[in-house]
Amino acid sequence: QAVLTQPPSASGTPGQRVTISCSGSTSNIGSNYVHWYQQLPGTAPKLLISRNNQRPSGVPDRFSGSKSGTSASLAISGLRSEDEADYYCAAWDDSLSVWVFGGGTKLTVL
Amino acid sequence: QVQLVESGGGVVQPGRSLRLSCAVSGFTFSSYGMHWVRQAPGKGLEWVAVISYDGSSKYYADSVKGRFSISRDNSKDTLYLQMNSLRVEDTAVYYCAKDSHSSWYGYFDPWGQGTLVTVSS
Repeated sequence: QAVLTQPPSASGTPGQRVTISCSGSTSNIGSNYVHWYQQLPGTAPKLLISRNNQRPSGVPDRFSGSKSGTSASLAISGLRSEDEADYYCAAWDDSLSVWVFGGGTKLTVL
Repeated sequence: QVQLVESGGGVVQPGRSLRLSCAVSGFTFSSYGMHWVRQAPGKGLEWVAVISYDGSSKYYADSVKGRFSISRDNSKDTLYLQMNSLRVEDTAVYYCAKDSHSSWYGYFDPWGQGTLVTVSS
């Protein structure tokens, strides 16, 4: 059972906008940055969004992140087939002194 | 460019030990915290352990505490994970990842390609 809660799946058609939620608590999301990782099929995870809403160089501006209280969201606009992947949120937990991940959301582009 | 290359995975019997290595290049290894993250077959990501830039601070997931030990050799630009008393549930792809900070509370970037550990009798 993951400490951060994500929907197991999400879907959309090309060009649509989809959002993926990540719910935590005051000791993790409520106190620290949230980071998002993308894992394309058969590959290692890759940093997608850091520090709640910062896009690393090379990440398209179709991807955006936000945080409010103990929840965070990843939004993908202009959905493309190559966005089909698993998405994970992560945060440091001050109470547990561990890093915690969400269970992951499998995004399907219909 | 920054590279992280894991090695040392394989098939091991329950109760035995294994040591993973992560050789890095392309950045000043001794300036950054480093992590191990694992992924069981068909499952999500699970953080395993982190070590600070100088090895003075280490944190572990409860699932591996007391059995696994993270270490680093800054003279060899290499990160290690000593895994003892292995269990079937430790079967996973193990990734090493660089922290964006010198300690443990940055973000993970980049990640290595992973090495598969299979614990089976």
